[in-house]
Amino acid sequence: DGGITQSPKYLFRKEGQNVTLSCEQNLNHDAMYWYRQDPGQGLRLIYYSQIVNDFQKGDIAEGYSVSREKKESFPLTVTSAQKNPTAFYLCASSIGRGQGKLLFGSGTQLSVL
Amino acid sequence: GDSVTQMEGPVTLSEEAFLTINCTYTATGYPSLFWYVQYPGEGLQLLLKATKADDKGSNKGFEATYRKETTSFHLEKGSVQVSDSAVYFCALSDHRAGGTSYGKLTFGQGTILTVHP
Repeated sequence: DGGITQSPKYLFRKEGQNVTLSCEQNLNHDAMYWYRQDPGQGLRLIYYSQIVNDFQKGDIAEGYSVSREKKESFPLTVTSAQKNPTAFYLCASSIGRGQGKLLFGSGTQLSVL
Repeated sequence: GDSVTQMEGPVTLSEEAFLTINCTYTATGYPSLFWYVQYPGEGLQLLLKATKADDKGSNKGFEATYRKETTSFHLEKGSVQVSDSAVYFCALSDHRAGGTSYGKLTFGQGTILTVHP
């Protein structure tokens, strides 16, 4: 079955450490997105990519980095520069520009030790 | 910029009650409007959508009508079930031609719905 796989489901970060969240899709979708979810604040866009080897900053890109070397993969690195990384991170994908019809993964909960 | 405002939650209802979750938006272009649902510990799922004024989206007994004159997209269901307990997000997608924002979603803050037997 096609879908989006995020791993790990839970991740812990030590102070000063970079951590990478994995997102893989086998849907042949062109566009991929990373959102951050905080309680009571909805979802905020971190980065998005419309095609391979190209990506754009979203609304809260500071302290994060991404790569899009393959169509099916869009990993997110939470760097030590992100001072408040505790959140639920959601990856999504869509066909082309998608017109808003996003398919989401099941998320990664990142916490700080 | 674009924004979406949802009614404050949480909302608590008894089974078979009528549900309304208000959503209003601000957009400079001609957005499509969406309702997504998130069950505990999961990602979001598309519930319904409407792409132009006066369109009605519907799915699983839920409905929402795109009202351009009031910039609203309120979610309704005539008789809720315990299984409808989830977080509901209203969202818009900007369709400005040529803009880099094309296809991105702007979300409201989410409304927690709890339905008791």
